[in-house]
Amino acid sequence: QVQLVQSGAEVKKPGASVKVSCKVSGYTLTELSMHWVRQAPGKGLEWMGGFDPEDGETIYAQKFQGRVTMTEDTSTDTAYMELSSLRSEDTAVYYCATPSHSNYDILTGYYPVHFDYWGQGTLVTVSS
Amino acid sequence: QSALTQPASVSGSPGQSITISCTGTSSDVGSYNLVSWYQQHPGKAPKLMIYEVSKRPSGVSNRFSGSKSGNTASLTISGLQAEDEADYYCCSYAGSRMVFGGGTKLTVL
Repeated sequence: QVQLVQSGAEVKKPGASVKVSCKVSGYTLTELSMHWVRQAPGKGLEWMGGFDPEDGETIYAQKFQGRVTMTEDTSTDTAYMELSSLRSEDTAVYYCATPSHSNYDILTGYYPVHFDYWGQGTLVTVSS
Repeated sequence: QSALTQPASVSGSPGQSITISCTGTSSDVGSYNLVSWYQQHPGKAPKLMIYEVSKRPSGVSNRFSGSKSGNTASLTISGLQAEDEADYYCCSYAGSRMVFGGGTKLTVL
C-alpha cells in the first residue's frame, strides 16, 4: 500500500517560489510515476505535470512550462514540485498523485495514467 | 488545452441511477481508452473510482460503472446512496499530457 505524505501549508508573496514535498512510503519512488495536480479554492482539478515512464522524462502542462520544476530524491523516496514567479492565481491546494505502478501493460498497450494514490494536499496561499 | 466538458451538477434520489457525461475531443477521450473518474468529498483528496474507461479498483462498489462512446465518456452510479454525494471529475490521457473535466457536483436528494 502506497502512502504519500506532503509538506505543510505555505504562505508566499507574489513573485516568490514555493517547493512542496511528497514523501513516499510502502513503495520506492522508482516504482512509481509521480504527478502533481492542483485545485484552486472552489475550482476543479488541474494537472500540472508528471513522470512519463515511456520516455523516462518529466512532462509539464503547457500552462506551467518554464515556471514549474518537478524533481525526485530517490535516496529518501521524496518527490518535489517547485513553482516560481507566484501570483495570486496560484493559490491552491497542491496534490501529488501516482498510479500504483509504472509498468507497461502488455494487454492494454499503455503505461498506467490513472491516479490510485494521492497525498493529503498542501495549501499554498499567495498573498501580499 | 481545454478541460473536458462535464455538467456542473446532477441530482438523484436514493436508490435511483444517474449518469455523468464527460465530453472531450478526438485528441483525448476519443483516441485513448485511458479515461478515469475521481470522487472528491469536501476537504478531502480525490479517490479513484474508475480507470481505463470501465475498470473498477479493488474496494470500489460495483454500483459505479464507466463507459465510452466516441469522444464522450460516462460514469453511471446505480442505487444512489447518501454517501455518493460528492464532486466527480473525469480525466483523460491526451498524448504526453493529462486533462481533467471541470467537475460535476452530485446531490442526493
